[in-house]
Amino acid sequence: SAVISQKPSRDICQRGTSLTIQCQVDSQVTMMFWYRQQPGQSLTLIATANQGSEATYESGFVIDKFPISRPNLTFSTLTVSNMSPEDSSIYLCSSDSGGPDTQYFGPGTRLTVL
Amino acid sequence: QKEVEQDPGPLSVPEGAIVSLNCTYSNSAFQYFMWYRQYSRKGPELLMYTYSSGNKEDGRFTAQVDKSSKYISLFIRDSQPSDSATYLCAMSAAGSARQLTFGSGTQLTVLP
Repeated sequence: SAVISQKPSRDICQRGTSLTIQCQVDSQVTMMFWYRQQPGQSLTLIATANQGSEATYESGFVIDKFPISRPNLTFSTLTVSNMSPEDSSIYLCSSDSGGPDTQYFGPGTRLTVL
Repeated sequence: QKEVEQDPGPLSVPEGAIVSLNCTYSNSAFQYFMWYRQYSRKGPELLMYTYSSGNKEDGRFTAQVDKSSKYISLFIRDSQPSDSATYLCAMSAAGSARQLTFGSGTQLTVLP
């Protein structure tokens, strides 16, 4: 199974600032995904990131707010821009290498916006 | 109505009990069904994966899918305190098997 790490594990940020979350996979993967998990809620897919192409965003999420980079097959970043307290959440990345039974998750980044 | 509904719990059982966790869904296109386990402050970990209808067993865990009723279940036999976690069902449609729709999760506590 793929091992995924995320940085930072947690952060406390001020309103109006931006935070970039890094996701590193220990093997080359085709797709990487970014999710948000708000307290007591299920995981919501933000976007899908393929290497070499623009990320695909889900309804309700836009590139200006959540720009994503995917420079190679093992790494991706998600930026949460111009943050507000409503952005306080856990952000998770996952990777997939060919099928639904191989989607692995990172440990998450716990973000608090004051 | 949410696409995937999951019994919210929380659920508390004594060690050794049989646990039943359930989800219902509305999208008949869903073909892939998964159960993830999430320990506190950790990412979800894939437990079971089933394609279409039927049962799948792995040790103490059994996953059941009834597509006619749009209902899936996870059974845990001989539950252990180490099973205490949040359990998330997830599913996806054929053709978009990599994009998962999650239930809201059921928090399980197994008491020693």
